[in-house]
Amino acid sequence: QVTLRESGPALVKPTQTLTLTCTFSGFSLSTSGMCVSWIRQPPGKALEWLARIDWDDDKYYSTSLKTRLTISKDTSKNQVVLTMTNMDPVDTATYYCARTSIAVTNWFDPWGQGTLVTVSS
Amino acid sequence: QSVLTQPPSVSGAPGQRVTISCTGSSSNIGAGYDVHWYQQLPGTAPKLLIYGNSNRPSGVPDRFSGSKSGTSASLAITGLQAEDEADYYCQSYDSSLSGSTVFGGGTKLTVL
Repeated sequence: QVTLRESGPALVKPTQTLTLTCTFSGFSLSTSGMCVSWIRQPPGKALEWLARIDWDDDKYYSTSLKTRLTISKDTSKNQVVLTMTNMDPVDTATYYCARTSIAVTNWFDPWGQGTLVTVSS
Repeated sequence: QSVLTQPPSVSGAPGQRVTISCTGSSSNIGAGYDVHWYQQLPGTAPKLLIYGNSNRPSGVPDRFSGSKSGTSASLAITGLQAEDEADYYCQSYDSSLSGSTVFGGGTKLTVL
């Protein structure tokens, strides 16, 4: 059974850097074809894809946020870490990680339960 | 504003059939990129409902079906049940945004 769980601070101040960890089980990111993505959802709003990391350490970022995002993996710990710099109140959202298919138009399945991050002074 | 356009809301009575549209353009759905659909029940994480335009993951009832034509895709739900009340999102890939995954704005399904 594949499961993912996000962890990180519930509250960050404007201009701070957010670090989120996705801990997963049921698959390995050292296996060919495995990928993990981060997606976020502001309260009451739509989903927004942020970043993806592949088994071979290839990384992909949202065009609009790429200057602020860094994704990395620790295969030995079954973890993927996302950092987002210069946080702003508009970044308040529930952040999800999800296993990602390797198809050109990749899909996300399953998702973690999500972690709500509030940006406020 | 989302690259993929969905109606904000749809509704139907139990047992009825409803469809949710997802309209894109020549740089995403119209370019041949696949469309996927997710169901998000209140207070929960999204769940994959349809992948590759029309494929159902194991465990998804066959009341849910997907299709794609031209620059649009649709999700159909037949035999509507109260438990289907949720938000539904379409997702694809857009080549005009330096290659980026894109989501629709979401559709709230209300079961009357």
